[in-house]
Amino acid sequence: KAGVTQTPRYLIKTRGQQVTLSCSPISGHRSVSWYQQTPGQGLQFLFEYFSETQRNKGNFPGRFSGRQFSNSRSEMNVSTLELGDSALYLCASSLMLPRTGAEAFFGQGTRLTVV
Amino acid sequence: TQLLEQSPQFLSIQEGENLTVYCNSSSVFSSLQWYRQEPGEGPVLLVTVVTGGEVKKLKRLTFQFGDARKDSSLHITAAQPGDTGLYLCAGQNTNAGKSTFGDGTTLTVKP
Repeated sequence: KAGVTQTPRYLIKTRGQQVTLSCSPISGHRSVSWYQQTPGQGLQFLFEYFSETQRNKGNFPGRFSGRQFSNSRSEMNVSTLELGDSALYLCASSLMLPRTGAEAFFGQGTRLTVV
Repeated sequence: TQLLEQSPQFLSIQEGENLTVYCNSSSVFSSLQWYRQEPGEGPVLLVTVVTGGEVKKLKRLTFQFGDARKDSSLHITAAQPGDTGLYLCAGQNTNAGKSTFGDGTTLTVKP
């Protein structure tokens, strides 16, 4: 069974540009969550999509947006990039089960560097 | 807002030593996971605990869920350099559906 695939792995962008990151979840998983990870802030929740609908949202500015397609693949977009957006962006897919809750399976992440 | 506090934040030990890391909250969770993350990679699920007082073992790792389902611990016996990494706990409330992550414990095991 293929794992969670994130593309690209590495990205360098200039301040003010926009970026789109992609995530393909594990087959059968309908929930996709996005996280930002930085050394100082840990793992910060961005948003969660389930069946093409944003179900939960973290405390990030409107420059961060996402969407989910009918095949559960998800994209997140960051517009007007700032230096502080440099981080590892992680996507996780999960299957909500009554017994175990939402066990998250993470991709390898996209390392975004804003210069 | 549900918060998870992990301690210690950093831990550096010699190979062969035992250690325990903690994950605490004032909130009740319906389930809690532990993950290990290596540099440049995504977190990898180690275990899920769902029942208060539950103990699970994974080779040299022992996970315990508190009786009140507000806290958890991870104990590693005879640590090895391969155990080095960032250990994260995450909890869910069934109704919320999303995971709340702790800030993690960075473990370094020196040979």
